[in-house]
Amino acid sequence: EVQLVESGGGLIQPGGSLRLSCAASGFTVSSNYMSWVRQAPGKGLEWVSVIYSGGSTYYADSVKGRFTISRDNSKNTLYLQMNSLRAEDTAVYYCARELTGTPNWFDPWGQGTLVTVSS
Amino acid sequence: QSVLTQPPSVSGAPGQRVTISCTGSSSNIGAGYDVHWYQQLPGTAPKLLIYGNSNRPSGVPDRFSGSKSGTSASLAISGLQAEDEADYYCQSYDSSLSVHWVFGGGTKLTVL
Repeated sequence: EVQLVESGGGLIQPGGSLRLSCAASGFTVSSNYMSWVRQAPGKGLEWVSVIYSGGSTYYADSVKGRFTISRDNSKNTLYLQMNSLRAEDTAVYYCARELTGTPNWFDPWGQGTLVTVSS
Repeated sequence: QSVLTQPPSVSGAPGQRVTISCTGSSSNIGAGYDVHWYQQLPGTAPKLLIYGNSNRPSGVPDRFSGSKSGTSASLAISGLQAEDEADYYCQSYDSSLSVHWVFGGGTKLTVL
């Protein structure tokens, strides 16, 4: 079964750092495009970052320079390192596999992990 | 404010048919980019519902259908059931933006 399981969320003070993990099963992370998408409380979906199978990475302007996406091929796990966190980063963070299309679509999604940035 | 506009809410009685629109422009849907749809049941992660404008993944009932025309796309749900009550999001690409993918603002479907 193709599955994604996130972890690492929690309560963090503004300016702090947090690393999210996304463990995959049923497919190989390094062979796919993998994204992070977030959803602020009561709000819609916002794409955050992607890592291509070749290793290229891209970020939304709102997180560029503060967040870093990476993967550990040996653990078949995707990561999101979040630094200099702000209140507006508070959201449920989902990892998702991208499937090729024009544009790509997301399937499957993880269950999400909540990040709360507050003092 | 998303470049893909969805109605905030729609409603329908069990058994009825409802449609949810996703209106874009010449830099996204109108430029030929496909539209995908996701269903988010309360308290859960989004789930792929329709990809490539009108294709259903395995396991999605044929009560759900998608279409695209011009600068808009639509999701239709026929034979409405109580378990269809959820938030629905469209997704595409916009060539005028620096982000990779764009989502509509979401539509809350209420089954009366």
